[in-house]
Amino acid sequence: AQSVAQPEDQVNVAEGNPLTVKCTYSVSGNPYLFWYVQYPNRGLQFLLKYITGDNLVKGSYGFEAEFNKSQTSFHLKKPSALVSDSALYFCAVRDEGNKLVFGAGTILRVKS
Amino acid sequence: DTAVSQTPKYLVTQMGNDKSIKCEQNLGHDTMYWYKQDSKKFLKIMFSYNNKELIINETVPNRFSPKSPDKAHLNLHINSLELGDSAVYFCASSPIAGGAGIQYFGAGTRLSVL
Repeated sequence: AQSVAQPEDQVNVAEGNPLTVKCTYSVSGNPYLFWYVQYPNRGLQFLLKYITGDNLVKGSYGFEAEFNKSQTSFHLKKPSALVSDSALYFCAVRDEGNKLVFGAGTILRVKS
Repeated sequence: DTAVSQTPKYLVTQMGNDKSIKCEQNLGHDTMYWYKQDSKKFLKIMFSYNNKELIINETVPNRFSPKSPDKAHLNLHINSLELGDSAVYFCASSPIAGGAGIQYFGAGTRLSVL
């Protein structure tokens, strides 16, 4: 079954520093991968997706993600973190049943 | 205008009651979804409709019944509520069925069963 894993429950980073939120995937065939963000008491918001093409995907709010087939990873990155980036981040993959399967989520805390 | 709106935002009820959550999207999308987010923030799909037709029905107790009167609306009715039903329920829509498209989420309905 298709799945994603987010190995870190929480990531802490200082404002202005680069951030990485990790995601690894397990799929058969070519993966459709997504990142979503959830701010407190809000619904999820789409950040970016990889379906095919360039391994470096750029998304909303300055985020980007790198698709790495050999490492089966799709880590979310941002060169300079903002306090306002603090939120819950979900990696997701489209499974063989044509639905999104989400990871457990990673809390990102950016401190000033 | 809110793209995907859910009502109510909060729902507190007793065990055994029946309740409904309503969802409307004004994005013109053909596909709508219901997700459940538990207390550990784990998010799982429950149902999906494409143009009023049920296309995804996960292993959900039959106390949960979705209804789509038109492609802009997807409601969720829950019978005989149980303590374990307490969660945040999210409605979403997308222009493409099948999980490849971007999904747009409502703000959620926090259901508390006492």
